[in-house]
Amino acid sequence: GQQLNQSPQSMFIQEGEDVSMNCTSSSIFNTWLWYKQEPGEGPVLLIALYKAGELTSNGRLTAQFGITRKDSFLNISASIPSDVGIYFCAGRNVLQGAQKLVFGQGTRLTINP
Amino acid sequence: GAGVSQSPRYKVAKRGQDVALRCDPISGHVSLFWYQQALGQGPEFLTYFQNEAQLDKSGLPSDRFFAERPEGSVSTLKIQRTQQEDSAVYLCASSLRRDAYEQYFGPGTRLTVT
Repeated sequence: GQQLNQSPQSMFIQEGEDVSMNCTSSSIFNTWLWYKQEPGEGPVLLIALYKAGELTSNGRLTAQFGITRKDSFLNISASIPSDVGIYFCAGRNVLQGAQKLVFGQGTRLTINP
Repeated sequence: GAGVSQSPRYKVAKRGQDVALRCDPISGHVSLFWYQQALGQGPEFLTYFQNEAQLDKSGLPSDRFFAERPEGSVSTLKIQRTQQEDSAVYLCASSLRRDAYEQYFGPGTRLTVT
């Protein structure tokens, strides 16, 4: 099925470092969402973006909705051990009448203490 | 308040068996979604309900997959004559309104077909 292109696929960083990941699509979306998933759990919503160019923060997390509406970025500042997990971007295009979310393949974040 | 709950959390089925997976959405949430997540992949859409109406079932992979939400609350995803390729985590999500953007996910049911 259709998926977004998310990169990098995995990241190995030191505690305290900043993290950046992004998501691109060939289709326009009018909503971008970022989720975090830990082993054995469902995705947990981190940030939702509704307008092109929008920049939204949630604590140490900052996400942006790209101007072209075909991409989004997530940054994590000063990483800590509990940031470990898989981060997914998800897009939605309600203008096409679709309520469903289309997900990226995920970015697996590993932190070395 | 309580989040989305799913049961069972784990299900092992022999190939050819039928299975039923249950989802209890957040109370009052109008929209309910089912997704399938293969190992190492992002979730993929299966089907969508608004109240009791199934408005989109374009993601169901075959006619062996069937979902219902008869009273607009609890939903059941049924898979008939399970195959090995059905092994995956099945996630349920709900959102407050028809046009609500945020979807809240349950913990999933891990289905293993042997």
